[in-house]
Amino acid sequence: QVQLQQSGPGLVEPSQTLSLTCDISGDSVSSNSAAWNWIRQSPSRGLEWLGRTYYRSKWYNDYAVFVKSRITINPDTSKNQFSLQLNSVTPEDTAVYYCARDGGVGALYFDCWGQGTLVTVSS
Amino acid sequence: DIVLTQSPDFRSVTPKEKVTITCRASQSIGSSLHWYQQKPDQSPTLLIKYASQSFSGVPSRFSGSGSGTDFTLTINSLEAEDAATYYCHQSSTLPWTFGQGTKVEIK
Repeated sequence: QVQLQQSGPGLVEPSQTLSLTCDISGDSVSSNSAAWNWIRQSPSRGLEWLGRTYYRSKWYNDYAVFVKSRITINPDTSKNQFSLQLNSVTPEDTAVYYCARDGGVGALYFDCWGQGTLVTVSS
Repeated sequence: DIVLTQSPDFRSVTPKEKVTITCRASQSIGSSLHWYQQKPDQSPTLLIKYASQSFSGVPSRFSGSGSGTDFTLTINSLEAEDAATYYCHQSSTLPWTFGQGTKVEIK
Protein backbone atom coordinates (compact mmCIF):
# COMPACT_ATOMS: atom_id res chain seq x y z
CA GLN A 1 0.00 0.00 0.00
CA VAL A 2 1.43 3.33 -1.07
CA GLN A 3 1.77 6.03 1.56
CA LEU A 4 2.98 9.60 1.23
CA GLN A 5 4.32 11.53 4.22
CA GLN A 6 4.87 15.26 3.91
CA SER A 7 7.25 17.43 5.90
CA GLY A 8 8.29 21.05 5.90
CA PRO A 9 7.71 24.38 7.63
CA GLY A 10 4.24 25.81 8.08
CA LEU A 11 5.33 29.44 8.06
CA VAL A 12 7.31 31.20 5.34
CA GLU A 13 8.16 34.87 5.12
CA PRO A 14 7.17 36.86 2.03
CA SER A 15 9.77 36.80 -0.78
CA GLN A 16 11.36 33.66 0.67
CA THR A 17 11.27 30.08 -0.63
CA LEU A 18 8.63 27.54 0.34
CA SER A 19 10.16 24.05 0.61
CA LEU A 20 8.26 20.81 1.23
CA THR A 21 9.24 17.16 1.00
CA CYS A 22 7.13 14.08 0.33
CA ASP A 23 8.45 10.69 1.48
CA ILE A 24 7.21 7.70 -0.49
CA SER A 25 6.61 4.21 0.93
CA GLY A 26 5.21 1.28 -1.00
CA ASP A 27 6.36 2.62 -4.38
CA SER A 28 9.43 4.18 -5.98
CA VAL A 29 9.96 7.75 -7.09
CA SER A 30 11.79 6.16 -10.04
CA SER A 31 8.73 4.14 -11.07
CA ASN A 32 8.36 3.89 -14.84
CA SER A 33 4.59 4.25 -14.55
CA ALA A 34 3.72 6.60 -11.69
CA ALA A 35 4.08 10.38 -11.52
CA TRP A 36 4.55 12.49 -8.42
CA ASN A 37 2.51 15.64 -8.08
CA TRP A 38 2.09 18.72 -5.94
CA ILE A 39 -1.37 20.24 -5.51
CA ARG A 40 -2.50 23.08 -3.28
CA GLN A 41 -5.85 24.16 -1.87
CA SER A 42 -7.05 27.53 -0.65
CA PRO A 43 -10.54 28.89 0.06
CA SER A 44 -10.19 31.53 -2.65
CA ARG A 45 -8.80 29.37 -5.47
CA GLY A 46 -9.86 25.82 -4.57
CA LEU A 47 -7.69 22.90 -5.68
CA GLU A 48 -4.81 23.85 -7.97
CA TRP A 49 -2.40 21.43 -9.61
CA LEU A 50 1.13 22.86 -9.42
CA GLY A 51 3.27 20.31 -11.20
CA ARG A 52 4.77 16.85 -11.32
CA THR A 53 7.94 14.85 -11.79
CA TYR A 54 8.21 11.40 -13.33
CA TYR A 55 10.75 8.95 -14.72
CA ARG A 56 10.46 7.37 -18.15
CA SER A 57 14.06 6.35 -18.86
CA LYS A 58 14.93 9.92 -17.93
CA TRP A 59 13.38 12.54 -15.65
CA TYR A 60 10.62 14.84 -16.76
CA ASN A 61 8.77 17.73 -15.16
CA ASP A 62 5.54 19.51 -15.98
CA TYR A 63 4.52 22.73 -14.29
CA ALA A 64 1.41 24.88 -14.21
CA VAL A 65 1.96 28.07 -16.19
CA PHE A 66 0.93 30.33 -13.32
CA VAL A 67 3.88 29.13 -11.17
CA LYS A 68 6.29 28.01 -13.86
CA SER A 69 8.80 30.81 -13.24
CA ARG A 70 8.95 30.08 -9.50
CA ILE A 71 8.59 26.32 -9.04
CA THR A 72 10.97 23.38 -8.92
CA ILE A 73 9.96 19.78 -8.24
CA ASN A 74 12.89 17.42 -7.72
CA PRO A 75 13.11 13.70 -7.11
CA ASP A 76 15.59 12.28 -4.62
CA THR A 77 16.19 8.64 -5.48
CA SER A 78 18.51 8.02 -2.52
CA LYS A 79 15.73 8.89 -0.07
CA ASN A 80 12.77 7.81 -2.23
CA GLN A 81 11.15 11.20 -1.96
CA PHE A 82 10.36 14.28 -4.01
CA SER A 83 10.32 17.93 -3.10
CA LEU A 84 8.62 21.19 -3.90
CA GLN A 85 10.35 24.54 -3.96
CA LEU A 86 8.34 27.68 -4.63
CA ASN A 87 10.36 30.87 -4.80
CA SER A 88 9.43 34.48 -4.08
CA VAL A 89 6.28 33.62 -2.17
CA THR A 90 3.56 36.12 -1.36
CA PRO A 91 0.52 35.88 0.92
CA GLU A 92 -1.38 34.60 -2.16
CA ASP A 93 0.65 31.38 -1.83
CA THR A 94 -0.89 30.65 1.55
CA ALA A 95 -2.62 27.29 1.16
CA VAL A 96 -2.69 23.65 2.17
CA TYR A 97 -0.14 21.85 0.02
CA TYR A 98 -0.55 18.18 -0.90
CA CYS A 99 1.69 15.68 -2.61
CA ALA A 100 -0.11 13.02 -4.62
CA ARG A 101 0.61 10.08 -6.90
CA ASP A 102 -0.94 9.37 -10.25
CA GLY A 103 -0.49 6.06 -12.02
CA GLY A 104 0.61 7.43 -15.38
CA VAL A 105 -0.91 6.72 -18.78
CA GLY A 106 -4.23 4.96 -18.36
CA ALA A 107 -4.27 5.78 -14.64
CA LEU A 108 -4.05 9.55 -14.63
CA TYR A 109 -5.91 10.05 -11.38
CA PHE A 110 -4.65 10.80 -7.88
CA ASP A 111 -5.01 7.54 -6.00
CA CYS A 112 -2.82 8.45 -3.05
CA TRP A 113 -2.42 11.77 -1.26
CA GLY A 114 -0.17 13.07 1.49
CA GLN A 115 -1.67 14.37 4.69
CA GLY A 116 -1.43 18.01 3.63
CA THR A 117 0.68 20.86 5.02
CA LEU A 118 -0.80 24.24 5.80
CA VAL A 119 1.74 26.83 4.67
CA THR A 120 1.16 30.40 5.74
CA VAL A 121 3.09 33.20 4.07
CA SER A 122 3.48 35.97 6.60
CA SER A 123 6.12 38.08 8.28
CA ASP B 1 -6.92 25.53 -19.50
CA ILE B 2 -9.98 23.29 -19.25
CA VAL B 3 -12.51 24.73 -16.83
CA LEU B 4 -14.69 22.34 -14.84
CA THR B 5 -17.94 23.74 -13.47
CA GLN B 6 -19.81 21.78 -10.83
CA SER B 7 -23.43 22.18 -9.82
CA PRO B 8 -24.83 22.70 -7.34
CA ASP B 9 -22.30 24.36 -5.03
CA PHE B 10 -24.21 23.10 -1.99
CA ARG B 11 -26.81 20.46 -1.18
CA SER B 12 -28.52 19.85 2.15
CA VAL B 13 -30.02 16.36 2.11
CA THR B 14 -31.62 13.81 4.41
CA PRO B 15 -30.23 10.32 4.96
CA LYS B 16 -31.28 7.75 2.34
CA GLU B 17 -31.92 10.51 -0.20
CA LYS B 18 -30.36 10.27 -3.67
CA VAL B 19 -27.85 12.98 -4.55
CA THR B 20 -26.73 13.95 -8.04
CA ILE B 21 -23.78 16.25 -8.71
CA THR B 22 -22.86 17.39 -12.19
CA CYS B 23 -19.55 18.49 -13.66
CA ARG B 24 -19.36 20.27 -17.00
CA ALA B 25 -16.10 20.67 -18.90
CA SER B 26 -15.32 23.69 -21.07
CA GLN B 27 -14.28 21.33 -23.89
CA SER B 28 -14.55 17.65 -24.60
CA ILE B 29 -12.39 15.50 -22.33
CA GLY B 30 -13.57 12.05 -23.36
CA SER B 31 -13.84 10.00 -20.20
CA SER B 32 -10.80 11.51 -18.45
CA LEU B 33 -12.86 12.70 -15.51
CA HIS B 34 -12.43 11.58 -11.91
CA TRP B 35 -14.33 12.24 -8.67
CA TYR B 36 -12.95 12.77 -5.15
CA GLN B 37 -14.47 13.09 -1.71
CA GLN B 38 -12.95 15.40 0.88
CA LYS B 39 -14.09 15.39 4.49
CA PRO B 40 -13.24 18.31 6.79
CA ASP B 41 -9.54 18.51 7.67
CA GLN B 42 -8.73 15.48 5.53
CA SER B 43 -7.03 14.94 2.18
CA PRO B 44 -9.21 14.16 -0.84
CA THR B 45 -9.82 10.49 -1.61
CA LEU B 46 -10.59 8.96 -5.00
CA LEU B 47 -14.12 7.70 -5.56
CA ILE B 48 -14.59 7.27 -9.31
CA LYS B 49 -11.98 7.09 -12.06
CA TYR B 50 -12.47 7.61 -15.77
CA ALA B 51 -16.05 8.83 -15.40
CA SER B 52 -17.69 5.57 -14.34
CA GLN B 53 -15.16 3.16 -12.83
CA SER B 54 -15.41 2.70 -9.10
CA PHE B 55 -12.12 2.87 -7.22
CA SER B 56 -11.17 -0.03 -5.00
CA GLY B 57 -12.98 -0.09 -1.66
CA VAL B 58 -15.52 2.61 -2.52
CA PRO B 59 -19.10 1.77 -1.43
CA SER B 60 -21.41 0.73 -4.24
CA ARG B 61 -23.81 3.62 -3.55
CA PHE B 62 -21.32 5.89 -5.36
CA SER B 63 -21.50 5.81 -9.16
CA GLY B 64 -20.45 7.98 -12.06
CA SER B 65 -21.52 8.50 -15.64
CA GLY B 66 -20.95 10.73 -18.63
CA SER B 67 -18.48 11.48 -21.38
CA GLY B 68 -17.36 14.40 -23.49
CA THR B 69 -18.34 17.51 -21.55
CA ASP B 70 -21.06 16.39 -19.13
CA PHE B 71 -20.54 14.11 -16.16
CA THR B 72 -22.53 13.05 -13.13
CA LEU B 73 -21.70 11.67 -9.70
CA THR B 74 -24.61 9.91 -8.01
CA ILE B 75 -24.84 8.91 -4.38
CA ASN B 76 -27.69 6.46 -3.86
CA SER B 77 -29.22 6.23 -0.40
CA LEU B 78 -27.01 8.84 1.24
CA GLU B 79 -25.49 7.96 4.60
CA ALA B 80 -24.42 10.37 7.38
CA GLU B 81 -20.75 9.56 6.68
CA ASP B 82 -21.13 10.96 3.16
CA ALA B 83 -21.17 14.53 4.46
CA ALA B 84 -18.24 16.00 2.54
CA THR B 85 -17.19 18.16 -0.37
CA TYR B 86 -16.99 16.44 -3.75
CA TYR B 87 -14.65 17.47 -6.55
CA CYS B 88 -14.26 16.51 -10.18
CA HIS B 89 -10.84 16.49 -11.87
CA GLN B 90 -9.84 16.20 -15.52
CA SER B 91 -6.71 14.52 -16.83
CA SER B 92 -7.35 14.96 -20.55
CA THR B 93 -5.06 17.95 -21.04
CA LEU B 94 -2.37 19.59 -18.94
CA PRO B 95 -2.66 21.44 -16.69
CA TRP B 96 -4.85 19.09 -14.70
CA THR B 97 -7.77 21.05 -13.30
CA PHE B 98 -10.47 20.61 -10.69
CA GLY B 99 -14.06 21.69 -10.26
CA GLN B 100 -14.86 24.21 -7.54
CA GLY B 101 -16.46 21.57 -5.32
CA THR B 102 -19.95 20.63 -4.16
CA LYS B 103 -20.57 20.55 -0.43
CA VAL B 104 -23.07 17.96 0.75
CA GLU B 105 -24.56 18.53 4.19
CA ILE B 106 -26.74 16.09 6.09
CA LYS B 107 -29.95 17.55 7.48
